[in-house]
Amino acid sequence: DTAVSQTPKYLVTQMGNDKSIKCEQNLGHDTMYWYKQDSKKFLKIMFSYNNKELIINETVPNRFSPKSPDKAHLNLHINSLELGDSAVYFCASSQQGPGANVLTFGAGSRLTVL
Amino acid sequence: AQSVTQPDIHITVSEGASLELRCNYSYGATPYLFWYVQSPGQGLQLLLKYFSGDTLVQGIKGFEAEFKRSQSSFNLRKPSVHWSDAAEYFCAVPDNYGQNFVFGPGTRLSVLP
Repeated sequence: DTAVSQTPKYLVTQMGNDKSIKCEQNLGHDTMYWYKQDSKKFLKIMFSYNNKELIINETVPNRFSPKSPDKAHLNLHINSLELGDSAVYFCASSQQGPGANVLTFGAGSRLTVL
Repeated sequence: AQSVTQPDIHITVSEGASLELRCNYSYGATPYLFWYVQSPGQGLQLLLKYFSGDTLVQGIKGFEAEFKRSQSSFNLRKPSVHWSDAAEYFCAVPDNYGQNFVFGPGTRLSVLP
């Protein structure tokens, strides 16, 4: 069984559309994250959720909204997509907060906005 | 704020050669330190971590890293590189508030046959 699974793996869409990326973890972890990886491979935290509560929210546009129906899921919804949103989005989880715990990553979702 | 630097953007080594990837961090106290590897088209996988104790830590795939407090470094090493080690390598630390991981910009490793 895949520990952290994301769907879809590839997503191609037009500017202005709304899209969602789903993430599920079966590790029983308490905290889940969304990272954005740009074309230069730089990883930027977007959101993290701990027990369904948003604990950090970096300076991302409010077009991006995380949704966590339960501890095992953290979905990413994006409104009014822009060209600059093209990137690989990674979901990850950790047992508690990041202090001494390791991240388990999903395989990534490559979003291309045309 | 925490920061992590990886001075080498791209390194090329021959298969069988030794490897050292550099990582420097800024942190007030002794940090927790991590190395992750990202193979092409894949997510990141933990290679090894340092929490405390022995400053030389062993990881998966024959990698090791050494924590040097005096140099604020946590360099990754491997004595003999295999072609399958070609990937992107990231050093990471938790931020000051323990709410997030801060990743370095990554080092891309290419392996020549």
